[in-house]
Amino acid sequence: AQSVTQPDIHITVSEGASLELRCNYSYGATPYLFWYVQSPGQGLQLLLKYFSGDTLVQGIKGFEAEFKRSQSSFNLRKPSVHWSDAAEYFCAVGGPFTGANNLFFGTGTRLTVIP
Amino acid sequence: SAVISQKPSRDICQRGTSLTIQCQVDSQVTMMFWYRQQPGQSLTLIATANQGSEATYESGFVIDKFPISRPNLTFSTLTVSNMSPEDSSIYLCSVSISGQGDGYTFGSGTRLTVV
Repeated sequence: AQSVTQPDIHITVSEGASLELRCNYSYGATPYLFWYVQSPGQGLQLLLKYFSGDTLVQGIKGFEAEFKRSQSSFNLRKPSVHWSDAAEYFCAVGGPFTGANNLFFGTGTRLTVIP
Repeated sequence: SAVISQKPSRDICQRGTSLTIQCQVDSQVTMMFWYRQQPGQSLTLIATANQGSEATYESGFVIDKFPISRPNLTFSTLTVSNMSPEDSSIYLCSVSISGQGDGYTFGSGTRLTVV
């Protein structure tokens, strides 16, 4: 079945530490890939997206993500986490290979940042 | 990217009543998407709203419960009808201006509590 998976429900990191959030997808072809962030009480903000080209994608707020076709993964990274990064992070897929016009979301990873 | 104004931002409603959520976009868009985010969970697509035609509902969602209007290319409403506590969720609208590869913009969400 087609799906997008975020294996980690909750991650806690210290401020200043590096961060990697995992995302795996299962589709017949590479879909468009997105990372969104949702701060408490807020809507979703697009961090970055990938649909072709360079497999290392730079986004806003110092985030980057790397697409690895062999692993069907699109992991989100940040070298040094700030307290304001505490939020819920969603990986999403879209594009014609999904057979739909909308996005499909993973279950999300909640990030807690400790001082 | 588009800017979406969604309101109300939150509401507390009595069971059995209805609430209409509005989304106004600052650009003309063909499709608008309505999602539900139940507490602690990911986003699930309710329906796709196209201007000039009936909305397309996902499995598990019906028009009588979630009627949608799309009177023009910049505006849509979602009504949550005959509410029960199980309808307590965040409801979000979303659009894509230039197609799926450019990502989707989300409204700030409506946090609904049914008592």
